[in-house]
This record gives sequence, C-alpha cells and structure tokens, in this order.
Amino acid sequence: GAGVSQSPSNKVTEKGKDVELRCDPISGHTALYWYRQSLGQGLEFLIYFQGNSAPDKSGLPSDRFSAERTGGSVSTLTIQRTQQEDSAVYLCASSLRETQYFGPGTRLLVL
Amino acid sequence: DAKTTQPPSMDCAEGRAANLPCNHSTISGNEYVYWYRQIHSQGPQYIIHGLKNNETNEMASLIITEDRKSSTLILPHATLRDTAVYYCIVRPLGTSGSRLTFGEGTQLTVNP
Repeated sequence: GAGVSQSPSNKVTEKGKDVELRCDPISGHTALYWYRQSLGQGLEFLIYFQGNSAPDKSGLPSDRFSAERTGGSVSTLTIQRTQQEDSAVYLCASSLRETQYFGPGTRLLVL
Repeated sequence: DAKTTQPPSMDCAEGRAANLPCNHSTISGNEYVYWYRQIHSQGPQYIIHGLKNNETNEMASLIITEDRKSSTLILPHATLRDTAVYYCIVRPLGTSGSRLTFGEGTQLTVNP
C-alpha cells in the first residue's frame, strides 16, 4: 500500500519568507508526527497529532512554527519568517499503534 | 526509554549475512526492541520489532537473547542498497504518541 508522502521534496526559500510543508499519512493511521533533522544530527521532535485530541506542540522551537491536520488526515507544517537555522530535512511519520512509518522528508534550504 | 549501545560502524560483503548487534542491558519487561535504518538522504525506514521472541519478516530477522539484554539484527543476504545507518531503540508498550529518539546507530557499509 501507499506509504507516507511529503511535498515538496525540496524547497529553497529566502530568509523571511513563509513556507508550507505537506504530509499525507498512511490511510487509516490516526497518529501523525513531525520531526526535523539537521545535517548529521538526530531526530528533533516537533509536533504530534492523535485523532481529534489537542496536538502535542511541545517540540515546536518557536512561535514561527505551526501545524494543522485537517479532517484527521493531511497535515501542513508552516514556518513563518524563515531563518537560516530552519534549514533542515522535515520528516513526517504516521502510526496506527506504536510503530511509526516515515515519509521521505522535505529538504528545506533557507538562503 | 532504556539506553542502547551499538558499534559505530560495520562492513559486510555483498551477498553475505550482516549481523548488527545491540546492547540494551537496562531494558524493562514492558519494552520492545525496535530497529530502523536511514539510507543517506532518505527518511528513516522501519525494519522490525520484537518483545522477547525472535522475529522475522521480509526484510530481516531479529534475535533477542533470553535475558533480553541484547539483540542482533540479521540481514540474511546483504545488498549494496542495505548500506545505511541502523538504529536500535527500546520503547515501552503503549507508546503511541511518544516521540522517537535515535542514538548514534551503526553505519553499515556493504561492499561489492
């Protein structure tokens, strides 16, 4: 079956611009996670959605970052007024129970 | 989550079995052993997980020692495309919603 998909695969933007990253989870998965991974670094948790519950936003690094999940499926991560330190691979994962399945990521470069 | 220890790197000849060890001596009775891998420039890929019994799927086998303090991931016939960083993680049951944290992992290089 189809896995987690993310778009765009690559995004280059100028400092100060807003960007939107999209995640399509595996159909039927109730949980959705956003992580980011800087070059050579480990996973950094950003936000978690579970069904209709309030999201766990505890990993968002600043109020420039926000995410929503519409209809319990597709999610959008928005970064406002991007900074160079936002450059990273943004990874989305979904799960039905404990096992998380990752998408290919969006590589964001802020110039 | 219990800490895991893995060798930083391993080499394997193409077509041979790759055996990747992981120590998790502080594992609790309610914690699973999970393996993921990350091929360069790709998202992490789930491989396999187990609690106490050995597990096998289309990708790999997982051998967990009887005392559960260590495990081995086996790729029976390694190919060049198996070159990746392999992460061993232990996570409690019922952790839906908990964030994943990867350690340093093992860089497996499959050589032709």
